[in-house]
Amino acid sequence: EAGVAQSPRYKIIEKRQSVAFWCNPISGHATLYWYQQILGQGPKLLIQFQNNGVVDDSQLPKDRFSAERLKGVDSTLKIQPAKLEDSAVYLCASSLGDRRYQETQYFGPGTRLLVL
Amino acid sequence: DAKTTQPTSMDCAEGRAANLPCNHSTISGNEYVYWYRQIHSQGPQYIIHGLKNNETNEMASLIITEDRKSSTLILPHATLRDTAVYYCIASNSNSGYALNFGKGTSLLVTP
Repeated sequence: EAGVAQSPRYKIIEKRQSVAFWCNPISGHATLYWYQQILGQGPKLLIQFQNNGVVDDSQLPKDRFSAERLKGVDSTLKIQPAKLEDSAVYLCASSLGDRRYQETQYFGPGTRLLVL
Repeated sequence: DAKTTQPTSMDCAEGRAANLPCNHSTISGNEYVYWYRQIHSQGPQYIIHGLKNNETNEMASLIITEDRKSSTLILPHATLRDTAVYYCIASNSNSGYALNFGKGTSLLVTP
């Protein structure tokens, strides 16, 4: 079974530039999560999708971050414009999305973003 | 989600059991205790979860106290590959099983 795929793996940009990250979840997984992990901290949830609908985006800085999952499969996370404090690893995770059972999340390798 | 408290770091000798504690004194009745770990430069990896009963799988055992205010993750025979940050998280369907990671415990397994 293929895992969660993310690209690019690394990205370096200058502040005020734009950047986009892509995630392909495990086939059949209805729930998709984006997390931000700043160096030395645990991951922080940015947004959660159930199919193509948003379940929780309360911690997403909506003035500069946006995310979409148009067909309920792949997802993109965009930052525009980037700030220095956005330097972090951006992790995508997916789960089956069956609320009858306790959910196990499967994480991708992450995209490491450095904003200069 | 209930807040969890873990020691910042622990050491364990290779081949010995690693016992990682977690306090979750405000856990609610329907919150599960999840354990994930994150090896350097990788995404977090699921280990085990439980509600009330002790659980065991091929990776680890989870011991939950009767009052559910604390738990212990046990790696029975630690190897060098078990060196990682271990996260204890309380989660339930109310939050869509989203994970509220703390700083975790950095476990160093030494030869």
